[in-house]
Amino acid sequence: NAGVMQNPRHLVRRRGQEARLRCSPMKGHSHVYWYRQLPEEGLKFMVYLQKENIIDESGMPKERFSAEFPKEGPSILRIQQVVRGDSAAYFCASSPPGPTYYNEQFFGPGTRLTVL
Amino acid sequence: EDKVVQSPLSLVVHEGDTVTLNCSYEVTNFRSLLWYKQEKKAPTFLFMLTSSGIEKKSGRLSSILDKKELSSILNITATQTGDSAIYLCAVPETSGSRLTFGEGTQLTVNP
Repeated sequence: NAGVMQNPRHLVRRRGQEARLRCSPMKGHSHVYWYRQLPEEGLKFMVYLQKENIIDESGMPKERFSAEFPKEGPSILRIQQVVRGDSAAYFCASSPPGPTYYNEQFFGPGTRLTVL
Repeated sequence: EDKVVQSPLSLVVHEGDTVTLNCSYEVTNFRSLLWYKQEKKAPTFLFMLTSSGIEKKSGRLSSILDKKELSSILNITATQTGDSAIYLCAVPETSGSRLTFGEGTQLTVNP
């Protein structure tokens, strides 16, 4: 059973470009979470999705950031018009169906975004 | 807002030492507490502690939950250089949708 997969692993963008980060959850998992880890900081929640639904996006900046988890295909975190402050490691996690507070979240290897 | 505080923030020991990492939490409705190990990549799940399972052990690692003190400890005995990592503590918020993480403890084990 493959773990959570993320791609690309490293992404370099110039200011003003768009960044698209992809996440495929573990097989059988229906909950997807995105977290951001800024340099020298802890993991911060961004958004929680189930298939075709955004359940909680309270941790995501209101502008330039969006996320989706379509019926088919991976979850996508999209950052438009990137700025240097967006440089960070973006981790995706997934968990199986059921009460999320009793399910551990399994993390992918992350995408390290560098904005020049 | 839920809060998780870990201490110490960093720790340097020699191989063979025993270490204790601390995590305290403030949550509206406690359900569980999780420990992760993060090396240079993804956080790797270690333990989940709940009201019905307040002590977990795996090899040289063990963890205890103290609901009265709103805290948890992670013990590592006979440390090895491969234990060098950031150890993260997290709690799910009330609806369970997000994990609130502490800042982590950076453990360095020297040979």
